[in-house]
Amino acid sequence: DGGITQSPKYLFRKEGQNVTLSCEQNLNHDAMYWYRQDPGQGLRLIYYSQIVNDFQKGDIAEGYSVSREKKESFPLTVTSAQKNPTAFYLCASSIRQGAYQPQHFGDGTRLSIL
Amino acid sequence: AQKVTQAQTEISVVEKEDVTLDCVYETRDTTYYLFWYKQPPSGELVFLIRRNSFDEQNEISGRYSWNFQKSTSSFNFTITASQVVDSAVYFCALSEALGGTSYGKLTFGQGTILTVHP
Repeated sequence: DGGITQSPKYLFRKEGQNVTLSCEQNLNHDAMYWYRQDPGQGLRLIYYSQIVNDFQKGDIAEGYSVSREKKESFPLTVTSAQKNPTAFYLCASSIRQGAYQPQHFGDGTRLSIL
Repeated sequence: AQKVTQAQTEISVVEKEDVTLDCVYETRDTTYYLFWYKQPPSGELVFLIRRNSFDEQNEISGRYSWNFQKSTSSFNFTITASQVVDSAVYFCALSEALGGTSYGKLTFGQGTILTVHP
């Protein structure tokens, strides 16, 4: 079945450590997105990518980095500069970038501080 | 700036009751799209419906119906004869088509937690 796979499901970060969240899709979608969800809040956009080797900052990019070397993959690194990384992270994709395109989501990675 | 408000933080109903989830949005754009997503306990968001700003026709899909009213900037969602499986967090979201260079940014409301009791 086509879909978006995020791994791991749960991740723990030590002080000063960088961690990478994986996102893979086999939907042949061009656009991919990373969101952060905090309790009782909606989703906020961290980074997005329209196409391979291109990505743009979203609303809360500080302390995060991404790469898009392959169409299927859009990993997110939470760096030590992100002082409050505890959250639920969701990856999404859409056929192409556009206001009308519905986004399809993975089942998330829950990141906590040790 | 665009904004989406879901004033109901939590709603609790008993099975078979009808329930309406409210969504109010703000935008300066004349062309925009509204979405509803469902987030079950498993975590992933499931796309339910998309509406564009030019189409105010209400829509019904099985037990789900949506009421889009541009005059009040609202896009409400009703579940008829609710079931336990409807328990989830529901998000309303807005996407603007800004000058033709839209990049698909979704602005989400805070979400409404719906609990349906047997």
